[in-house]
Amino acid sequence: AQSVTQLGSHVSVSEGALVLLRCNYSSSVPPYLFWYVQYPNQGLQLLLKYTTGATLVKGINGFEAEFKKSETSFHLTKPSAHMSDAAEYFCAVSALGGGATNKLIFGTGTLLAVQP
Amino acid sequence: NAGVTQTPKFRILKIGQSMTLQCTQDMNHNYMYWYRQDPGMGLKLIYYSVGAGITDKGEVPNGYNVSRSTTEDFPLRLELAAPSQTSVYFCASNDRGGTYTEAFFGQGTRLTVV
Repeated sequence: AQSVTQLGSHVSVSEGALVLLRCNYSSSVPPYLFWYVQYPNQGLQLLLKYTTGATLVKGINGFEAEFKKSETSFHLTKPSAHMSDAAEYFCAVSALGGGATNKLIFGTGTLLAVQP
Repeated sequence: NAGVTQTPKFRILKIGQSMTLQCTQDMNHNYMYWYRQDPGMGLKLIYYSVGAGITDKGEVPNGYNVSRSTTEDFPLRLELAAPSQTSVYFCASNDRGGTYTEAFFGQGTRLTVV
């Protein structure tokens, strides 16, 4: 079975500062990992994903994340926050396999506020 | 392509009423999902389907039913609405063939049960 833990339900940064959103996962099989962003009153949009290969993945809007198997982590970073980055961010885990591993399981989300 | 389309966008139900949330996708995806989103709880999987005619329970299936008669459509049924079902509901789909593809989400249905 898979699960996701996002540390920090609310994160506040100043415009131009580093953004770091934490995600740890648990999976009994090699995981597929995702970060989604949700703007107010919108659906979820994929920021980036890790399936196989390079462990540092780059996504849209300048975000990137690194898969660290030894730490079971997939933290999301952005070097310089913009006001437009204010949104809720969700980490998710899945796997290509039979049965329960097929499901996409989400963390509880981190609300990012960007201060001027 | 329209992607994943959910209807209605908003609905107010009285306790005990029933309704169907519609979801359709035009990407020929084999997997489809229903989630509910509650503040501070993230997204919880209600039901999912791996193809037409095949459905399975997620984390929070009680009070809901689904069917998957076609690849495109995956309606969610609430038979006896309860205040605990007040939530935002999202439908999603993806392709789980040889290569995993991202899940695409609808815009959501905001349901209030009073």
